[in-house]
Amino acid sequence: EAGVTQFPSHSVIEKGQTVTLRCDPISGHDNLYWYRRVMGKEIKFLLHFVKESKQDESGMPNNRFLAERTGGTYSTLKVQPAELEDSGVYFCASSFTGGLAKNIQYFGAGTRLSVL
Amino acid sequence: AQSVTQPDIHITVSEGASLELRCNYSYGATPYLFWYVQSPGQGLQLLLKYFSGDTLVQGIKGFEAEFKRSQSSFNLRKPSVHWSDAAEYFCAVGAYGNAGNMLTFGGGTRLMVKP
Repeated sequence: EAGVTQFPSHSVIEKGQTVTLRCDPISGHDNLYWYRRVMGKEIKFLLHFVKESKQDESGMPNNRFLAERTGGTYSTLKVQPAELEDSGVYFCASSFTGGLAKNIQYFGAGTRLSVL
Repeated sequence: AQSVTQPDIHITVSEGASLELRCNYSYGATPYLFWYVQSPGQGLQLLLKYFSGDTLVQGIKGFEAEFKRSQSSFNLRKPSVHWSDAAEYFCAVGAYGNAGNMLTFGGGTRLMVKP
């Protein structure tokens, strides 16, 4: 069974450009999460989808970040325009829907974003 | 709001020595607790979890952790460290919720293993 897959693994862009990160969750997982780790800091929650709906987007830093999950399958996280402080590693995680299993999150390898 | 503290940023142990990584949390009720490990170039891998019941939980790769409510701690242990255990370790707390919930992570502990 495939795990959580993230593309690209590394992205280097210039300030002001746009970048789109993609996450493919584990098949059958309705819950999808985005997290970010800025250099030297903790891994921080960004938002949570249940299927195609945003359940919680309290961690999104500002309106330059747009997350979508059309059809309730894969998700994209777009940063437009990118700023220097957006550099970091963006993790995606997914979890099953029912019972206690919904609380077990499986993570992808992350996308390392470097904004120059 | 929940929070997690991992007091040790870096730890170095000799191969074969025992290991204990500390984790303290703050949460208003009994939380869900997790330890994840990130090896170089890899994603976060779940080592073990605590939901309820027996406070000593076993995980993969020979790791265990003990939940101590009185100390708000969930320390990770391994009796004999292998060189392949060198990685960064994250403690996390999750909140009860109807549809799954966000995790709050500690800052991580980077483990180095001396031959």
